[in-house]
Amino acid sequence: AQKITQTQPGMFVQEKEAVTLDCTYDTSDPSYGLFWYKQPSSGEMIFLIYQGSYDQQNATEGRYSLNFQKARKSANLVISASQLGDSAMYFCAMREVDSSASKIIFGSGTRLSIRP
Amino acid sequence: EAGVVQSPRYKIIEKKQPVAFWCNPISGHNTLYWYLQNLGQGPELLIRYENEEAVDDSQLPKDRFSAERLKGVDSTLKIQPAELGDSAVYLCASSLRTSGIEQFFGPGTRLTVL
Repeated sequence: AQKITQTQPGMFVQEKEAVTLDCTYDTSDPSYGLFWYKQPSSGEMIFLIYQGSYDQQNATEGRYSLNFQKARKSANLVISASQLGDSAMYFCAMREVDSSASKIIFGSGTRLSIRP
Repeated sequence: EAGVVQSPRYKIIEKKQPVAFWCNPISGHNTLYWYLQNLGQGPELLIRYENEEAVDDSQLPKDRFSAERLKGVDSTLKIQPAELGDSAVYLCASSLRTSGIEQFFGPGTRLTVL
C-alpha cells in the first residue's frame, strides 16, 4: 500500500536561508509520481513541483527543487532563499501512475515558519 | 482563467442537520475530486469523478455522504445527517484528466458541526 511520511511537524527558518522539507514514501508500484503542495492560511492547496519516478533529473521550479533519491524512497523539497511568504503548510503527495484508481495520497504536512 | 470555485466558504450547523457543498471546477477539466482535510492532517480523497461518472468512491462513507456531478461539470457533496466528527475542511479539486499531473484546488469549505 502507498504511504507518505513527513517527519517534521514544524520548522523555523531565517529569511533568505535555504530549507529542506523531508518526505519519504513507500510503494510497490514501479511507476509513480511525487508532488509537493503549499497550503497557506487561506486554505487553498497550491501545486509546487512534480517528479516522475522515471525522470532522470531532479525537478526544479524557480526557487523549488525536489531532491529525489529513489533508492532511499525520499523526495525532499528544497526551497532556496526563503521568503516571508513561504510561511505555510507543505504537503508531500504521491500517485501510482499505473493504478486504475490513480489515487493521490498526502502526507501529514510540515508547517514552515520564516523568521524576518 | 477562473480557478476552482467552492461555496460556501464556511458552514456551521448542529449535529443531525443536513449540509451541502458546491464545487465548480475549472472549465474543461474532466476530472473532479472531493477531499476531506482534518485539522493538522493532509487531504484524504472521498470521491473522484471522470465527467459525470464516480470512478473512485471507496473512501466515501455512503451511509451519510452522497455526491453528484450532473452534466459532468458542477458537483455537490452532501452529508445527511451530519455528526460532530464531520467537522473538517472539504476541498474540491479538478484536473484535465486523471493522469494530469497538476490538480487545481479550490479554497475549501470549513464545516463546523456543533
